[in-house]
Amino acid sequence: AQSVAQPEDQVNVAEGNPLTVKCTYSVSGNPYLFWYVQYPNRGLQFLLKYITGDNLVKGSYGFEAEFNKSQTSFHLKKPSALVSDSALYFCAVRDRGSQGNLIFGKGTKLSVKP
Amino acid sequence: EAQVTQNPRYLITVTGKKLTVTCSQNMNHEYMSWYRQDPGLGLRQIYYSMNVEVTDKGDVPEGYKVSRKEKRNFPLILESPSPNQTSLYFCASSSGTSGRSEQYFGPGTRLTVT
Repeated sequence: AQSVAQPEDQVNVAEGNPLTVKCTYSVSGNPYLFWYVQYPNRGLQFLLKYITGDNLVKGSYGFEAEFNKSQTSFHLKKPSALVSDSALYFCAVRDRGSQGNLIFGKGTKLSVKP
Repeated sequence: EAQVTQNPRYLITVTGKKLTVTCSQNMNHEYMSWYRQDPGLGLRQIYYSMNVEVTDKGDVPEGYKVSRKEKRNFPLILESPSPNQTSLYFCASSSGTSGRSEQYFGPGTRLTVT
């Protein structure tokens, strides 16, 4: 069965410092991996995805994520956090052999303090 | 403007009173899906549709129905709502059916069942 784990409910970072939001996954085959962000009272917005190729994926708003097959991880990173990055972040996975079902993690709340 | 719309945005109803939440997308997307978001549980998929007249169950389909008679619309039907269906609901769509594409989310519908 597919699953996604975001081990931290909340991550606190000072503005200007690097940030990491962790995600590990479990699928029976090869995964498609996604990160989404949710701002208060809004729907989810797509940040970036890993489909194939380069393990380092760059996305919107300066975010990037690294696909690590051996560790089954897809951590989200940003070199310098902004207060406006404060939001709820979701990792999601889909098995390449499964066209339909997209599995989301429980979300990590990122708080960036000035 | 490319978008996914949901109506209503807020709904308070009573147990057993049938309701429908509409979802429409203007991007000619093949894939559409419904999720519910609950605190501490992240997003869980209710139903999805690969195209017109093609629907399938997600992880939490009990108590819900869907239909896909037109490509742009994917309504969610609660025939006999119960309090445990109180939640925040999101509709999403994406292009193609390979599973590689990111999803576009609607703004959400907050449902309260008393």
